Amino acid sequence: ILNVEQSPQSLHVQEGDSTNFTCSFPSSNFYALHWYRWETAKSPEALFVMTLNGDEKKKGRISATLNTKEGYSYLYIKGSQPEDSATYLCASPPTSGTYKYIFGTGTRLKVLA
Amino acid sequence: GAVVSQHPSRVICKSGTSVKIECRSLDFQATTMFWYRQFPKKSLMLMATSNEGSKATYEQGVEKDKFLINHASLTLSTLTVTSAHPEDSSFYICSATQGWGYGYTFGSGTRLTVV
Repeated sequence: ILNVEQSPQSLHVQEGDSTNFTCSFPSSNFYALHWYRWETAKSPEALFVMTLNGDEKKKGRISATLNTKEGYSYLYIKGSQPEDSATYLCASPPTSGTYKYIFGTGTRLKVLA
Repeated sequence: GAVVSQHPSRVICKSGTSVKIECRSLDFQATTMFWYRQFPKKSLMLMATSNEGSKATYEQGVEKDKFLINHASLTLSTLTVTSAHPEDSSFYICSATQGWGYGYTFGSGTRLTVV
């Protein structure tokens, strides 16, 4: 059974600090990893879809890396702003061609002004 | 971009009543929609997958008669929690996709409280 884990569960940083958090998944039978940003009372917003070992994707101040051999992905936020406060979710499918993505429990980020 | 509207965002109902939650894709045709449930401090758990015009596929452990899913059109899926009990209180969220390779768009979720 695929187990997707995220750490830390929650994180408080000061405005302007850079931060990162982790999504871990089994390294065998990897197909894809999705990152979502989920603000309270809003819909989860897709950030990145990562498929290849060594992938690095960037969207503004947010970037992500992928290591499929060791089974982890890092999400980085450079110069955190209060509007970055959200829960960051990762999800991965257990097999190819399936919609049944397994979600992590999320990392709740709070950026303090 | 793709938008999914989910209503209501919050509902309180009495034990024994039924509650319907709607999930609409506003600017695309959703061939497949998904319903998730989230318990406090837990991850999103897939409850069922629904394809337009066919019966939903439920995940193991999800009661089909308790959680009725209808996907009558390419833009609307509904989840009805029948004869609700306090243990059904939870956060329910839908997502939709046009098909494999299109990605998933989530609704904003529904907080159900059964009293």
